[in-house]
Amino acid sequence: EAGVTQSPTHLIKTRGQQATLRCSPISGHTSVYWYQQALGLGLQFLLWYDEGEERNRGNFPPRFSGRQFPNYSSELNVNALELEDSALYLCATQYGNPNTEAFFGQGTRLTVV
Amino acid sequence: AQKVTQAQTEISVVEKEDVTLDCVYETRDTTYYLFWYKQPPSGELVFLIRRNSFDEQNEISGRYSWNFQKSTSSFNFTITASQVVDSAVYFCALSEEDWGSSNTGKLIFGQGTTLQVKP
Repeated sequence: EAGVTQSPTHLIKTRGQQATLRCSPISGHTSVYWYQQALGLGLQFLLWYDEGEERNRGNFPPRFSGRQFPNYSSELNVNALELEDSALYLCATQYGNPNTEAFFGQGTRLTVV
Repeated sequence: AQKVTQAQTEISVVEKEDVTLDCVYETRDTTYYLFWYKQPPSGELVFLIRRNSFDEQNEISGRYSWNFQKSTSSFNFTITASQVVDSAVYFCALSEEDWGSSNTGKLIFGQGTTLQVKP
């Protein structure tokens, strides 16, 4: 069974541009979570989508947004990129109760220059 | 406030040594869940264990064991007879069952402990 897949693996953007990151969940998983892992800041919760709706978001500015599609895959969009947005963005998916274990993808390494 | 503290930033051991990774948490919830994840150089977080706040039984899985103590708000992880393949960053995390709160659905991670096992 395929795990959580994220694309692209690496992404290089210029400051001010927009980035789109994608996540495909494990089959049967309806919840998608996005986390940012920036150097020195640890893993920070970004967004949670379940059944197509945004359920919760972390302490990030509105230029971080996303959506979940009917097939439960998800996109994370980051507008007006800043240098400090450079980080590993991890997607996790889950089935059922949000306190069950989440399964993570390998991440997208976003570099803003 | 909800917080997870992993005081050990880096640990270096020689293969076959036992090593314990410490995790201390803070929460006001009576129902919560604790997790350990491993992050190898490839980047993805690999789930190791989940424990709920009502289950204080220690657990052993092969060379891994976990010691959950509510009295000290700790959930420590021990690797017995460490191997080079155990080298990774290990994260302890907390989630709360407080439906509708700002913490619903999110994992609160510690800063991680980098474990290096030398041959």
